[in-house]
Amino acid sequence: KNEVEQSPQNLTAQEGEFITINCSYSVGISALHWLQQHPGGGIVSLFMLSSGKKKHGRLIATINIQEKHSSLHITASHPRDSAVYICAVKGGGADGLTFGKGTHLIIQP
Amino acid sequence: NAGVTQTPKFRVLKTGQSMTLLCAQDMNHEYMYWYRQDPGMGLRLIHYSVGEGTTAKGEVPDGYNVSRLKKQNFLLGLESAAPSQTSVYFCASSGYYEQYFGPGTRLTVT
Repeated sequence: KNEVEQSPQNLTAQEGEFITINCSYSVGISALHWLQQHPGGGIVSLFMLSSGKKKHGRLIATINIQEKHSSLHITASHPRDSAVYICAVKGGGADGLTFGKGTHLIIQP
Repeated sequence: NAGVTQTPKFRVLKTGQSMTLLCAQDMNHEYMYWYRQDPGMGLRLIHYSVGEGTTAKGEVPDGYNVSRLKKQNFLLGLESAAPSQTSVYFCASSGYYEQYFGPGTRLTVT
């Protein structure tokens, strides 16, 4: 069973700061997902990665397969980025995702 | 396209009652999943299906049953609800790598 660890668990920052959330996993994977969940809200997929780096607007996700580690970066953070960010990994089969416990991010104006 | 929909959005049950949660997807995906989300535990896989007529157990299957009679629908049943099943339930569908999540069902068992 893959163990997925995220850090930090909670993060409070000021508007405009550069944010980094880390994810590590214990067993090789076929893909890694970064998900976003607003309070009381649904789950939105931000990125799916199997190698390298992806960028979407102010969000950047990277993955190092050899080190079993991924990072999610938010540049020029904004209060609307306040949410829970969840890392999830997929093994090689058809079974579902294994999730980290999430990082609760608050961006203060 | 509606994507992934879940019915109902909220439900309160008494211990011992039964209910069925419905998940529907219109993306012609083969794979469908039921997860539960609990504070401090994160999301965990209950059951999944790799195609019409097939189901398999996930990490926390006890107390739940599922059926996939039609490709677009995946049903999650609670035969005798227990307070430990109070949770938010998410359905997801996938072509293989991408996962699309439904809006969730908030279930409270008293």
